[in-house]
Amino acid sequence: GNSVTQMEGPVTLSEEAFLTINCTYTATGYPSLFWYVQYPGEGLQLLLKATKADDKGSNKGFEATYRKETTSFHLEKGSVQVSDSAVYFCALKLTGANNLFFGTGTRLTVIP
Amino acid sequence: EPEVTQTPSHQVTQMGQEVILRCVPISNHLYFYWYRQILGQKVEFLVSFYNNEISEKSEIFDDQFSVERPDGSNFTLKIRSTKLEDSAMYFCASSDQGTMNTEAFFGQGTRLTVV
Repeated sequence: GNSVTQMEGPVTLSEEAFLTINCTYTATGYPSLFWYVQYPGEGLQLLLKATKADDKGSNKGFEATYRKETTSFHLEKGSVQVSDSAVYFCALKLTGANNLFFGTGTRLTVIP
Repeated sequence: EPEVTQTPSHQVTQMGQEVILRCVPISNHLYFYWYRQILGQKVEFLVSFYNNEISEKSEIFDDQFSVERPDGSNFTLKIRSTKLEDSAMYFCASSDQGTMNTEAFFGQGTRLTVV
């Protein structure tokens, strides 16, 4: 089947720390991979995406590389800020399909 | 910036009651979706809607659920007879196309609590 497994949270980091949130997937086809972020009181927003193997998505200092050999799409940021505190969702979408398969979400809290 | 809006933000309903969750998608979008997240679990796809009909639905979306676009702006999810296990956060989303590279824009969610 199709599914996404995310590192369980919550994750608490100090400002300027390095962030990694692990995400692995299983898919029946060749998926596109996404990271969505939900800030408090807001909807899910697309953070970054990658549509084929070895692509790197990046936005707002966050990066994730589509690794087909390890079926992974780990989210990284070199130096987190308090404003990065949010819930992060990894997701996949199969070619030709409209719906997304999400992980459980990982809550990140960054403390000053 | 255009956004998807959902109302109410929180709804409490008694088991067995009907509930309607409302969404206003982005105005020029053509594809509409509902997802839900039971507390502590994954965000799950419920249904997609295009050209005034359901284009895809999951096994969760049984006869208790229905969707409607009653006018040019609203997109609703109705649960006919709510069960305790329907308690979840419900997210509406819309996109201008249904293709792989198109971003889906999500609302802030409606938290449904069935008591």
